[in-house]
Amino acid sequence: GESVGLHLPTLSVQEGDNSIINCAYSNSASDYFIWYKQESGKGPQFIIDIRSNMDKRQGQRVTVLLNKTVKHLSLQIAATQPGDSAVYFCAENMGGGSNYKLTFGKGTLLTVNP
Amino acid sequence: DAGVIQSPRHEVTEMGQEVTLRCKPISGHDYLFWYRQTMMRGLELLIYFNNNVPIDDSGMPEDRFSAKMPNASFSTLKIQPSEPRDSAVYFCASSPTVSNQPQHFGDGTRLSIL
Repeated sequence: GESVGLHLPTLSVQEGDNSIINCAYSNSASDYFIWYKQESGKGPQFIIDIRSNMDKRQGQRVTVLLNKTVKHLSLQIAATQPGDSAVYFCAENMGGGSNYKLTFGKGTLLTVNP
Repeated sequence: DAGVIQSPRHEVTEMGQEVTLRCKPISGHDYLFWYRQTMMRGLELLIYFNNNVPIDDSGMPEDRFSAKMPNASFSTLKIQPSEPRDSAVYFCASSPTVSNQPQHFGDGTRLSIL
């Protein structure tokens, strides 16, 4: 029979454009959030993180925005390059007694067209 | 710096056989995590250790799965007997003791059970 896999959200952009990847998280008590990038055949690679006492954090070509009111996280990539093509995951730390456990989102597939 | 090292990178075996996956965490990291990634279920936490002691194994699917960490630089995930539905990519990750630090992932073991 036909197997049903995860329906990954996809984002297709032109090289040089800015990309915005969104994530809705589940737990209002979560106090730490991470974005990971996963290329084919590799493990998730840390990109940037943010703590709940912040609403914005910038790295090299990447910015993470946190809106705790609506439990929303976004990753902005400036001047997207073909090497940015990958699956991007957000992860949340539930805090409290599970301070070291991360819960991962389903991922977004970013395709950068040259 | 050496990252998380997993072996083997690929494993193909027949159902019923014992499978052992290996992980060497980043030196100095006190937390070690085992994950499973499939198209159907995404990235799932199986078990994690702190200072070589299992803290939470609630994600281990059933008794056929076991994990050990005999010392700070080595962990194994064992499946016995293996079944076709165990086919997945298994990742190991480690993080330091300080809370709210990202987990760093290995490149995984792609396991195929025939």
